[in-house]
Amino acid sequence: QKEVEQNSGPLSVPEGAIASLNCTYSDRGSQSFFWYRQYSGKSPELIMSIYSNGDKEDGRFTAQLNKASQYVSLLIRDSQPSDSATYLCAVEEYSSASKIIFGSGTRLSIRP
Amino acid sequence: DGGITQSPKYLFRKEGQNVTLSCEQNLNHDAMYWYRQDPGQGLRLIYYSQIVNDFQKGDIAEGYSVSREKKESFPLTVTSAQKNPTAFYLCASMGTSGKNIQYFGAGTRLSVL
Repeated sequence: QKEVEQNSGPLSVPEGAIASLNCTYSDRGSQSFFWYRQYSGKSPELIMSIYSNGDKEDGRFTAQLNKASQYVSLLIRDSQPSDSATYLCAVEEYSSASKIIFGSGTRLSIRP
Repeated sequence: DGGITQSPKYLFRKEGQNVTLSCEQNLNHDAMYWYRQDPGQGLRLIYYSQIVNDFQKGDIAEGYSVSREKKESFPLTVTSAQKNPTAFYLCASMGTSGKNIQYFGAGTRLSVL
């Protein structure tokens, strides 16, 4: 059974600080990795995708991927109250590229 | 407006009743998916379809059925065999750009009367 593991949180970060969210996965062959943000009662929305080792930056968000360690992370700089949400890590299943496996999510709370 | 439309937003099921959740997309995506989300949990795959007239079971298919007669539509039926149907149901689609990105509809919240 392929797995994606996340710390459920809640992770509490002061406004303006850096929030760091982590994810590990079991499928060594996976090539595509995603971070989704989900507000309470809403559907997930994609905020970052990453496909190669290293860092990928988009505004205040940076995704980091280390395939050797089977580890992907999301950094949120200058955290805002609107960043308070659940963040889902998602990983493509190598044996079936059309299937994505989701972690259970990390709940992030930005405190004023 | 391009996107994925799920209806209804809220649905109530009586004991022994089958109910159908609608999912329509105008993104010209080949693949479509149904997920179930329970409170505080991640997404669990119910069924998925990579092409018209073909679909595969996901991890929790028991008590559910689907059809894929048109590229744009992938309805999910929650049958009376599903004894604990109360959950948030999410439909997603994915294109063939090679990026493997799934986009989601707004979801349907199903409750049992």
